[in-house]
Amino acid sequence: EVQLVESGGGLVQPGGSLRLSCAASGFTFSSYWMSWVRQAPGKGLEWVANIKQDGSEKYYVDSVKGRLTISRDNAKNSLYLQVNSLRAEDTAVYYCVREARERLSLADWGQGTLVTVSS
Amino acid sequence: DIQMTQSPSSLSASVGDRVTITCRASQSISTYLNWYQQRPGKAPKLLIYTASSLQSGVPSRFSGSGSGTDFTLTISSLQAEDFATYYCQQSYGNSWTFGQGTKVEIK
Repeated sequence: EVQLVESGGGLVQPGGSLRLSCAASGFTFSSYWMSWVRQAPGKGLEWVANIKQDGSEKYYVDSVKGRLTISRDNAKNSLYLQVNSLRAEDTAVYYCVREARERLSLADWGQGTLVTVSS
Repeated sequence: DIQMTQSPSSLSASVGDRVTITCRASQSISTYLNWYQQRPGKAPKLLIYTASSLQSGVPSRFSGSGSGTDFTLTISSLQAEDFATYYCQQSYGNSWTFGQGTKVEIK
């Protein structure tokens, strides 16, 4: 069974930084592209970034380029999202997502971790 | 970025009704279109991928169609567990976007 467990969320002051983690199990982590998707409270879904199996390719939504960095450690079956210069609009639940084999859809989702940016 | 527009934003329906949700892309995306269901407080769930392929384990009352810029999600006979918010999402190119969502409520 595919399991994706996010951690690292919490309350952060504006301008601060946070590193989100996702522990993956139940599949061969190094064989899949992985994504982060976020959802602000009461709002819709926003794809944020994804990363290739070996980490050699990374893509980001324009609105976060330069502030967010996606990375992975295949030896630890873990996905990460470093979020810098946090703003109120970064307040959201952040989901770790396994992409489908064909890299055409977001097939398996974690339960999410909440990041709240507030003073 | 490719913009995705869903309609309606919300709808009220009864158990047993046929429900149709549409999604329009700001440019042609071939069939790189997926549909997700999100129940309150839960993570989204993939229903349909590449416009018309049913994800494993998803009931056959869900179906998808379309190509290019116009797409449709149909629920043939709405069940109690289908009351949720539905999102389309395009996976054309390297920057992916979602529609704003359609909330399906009980009439």
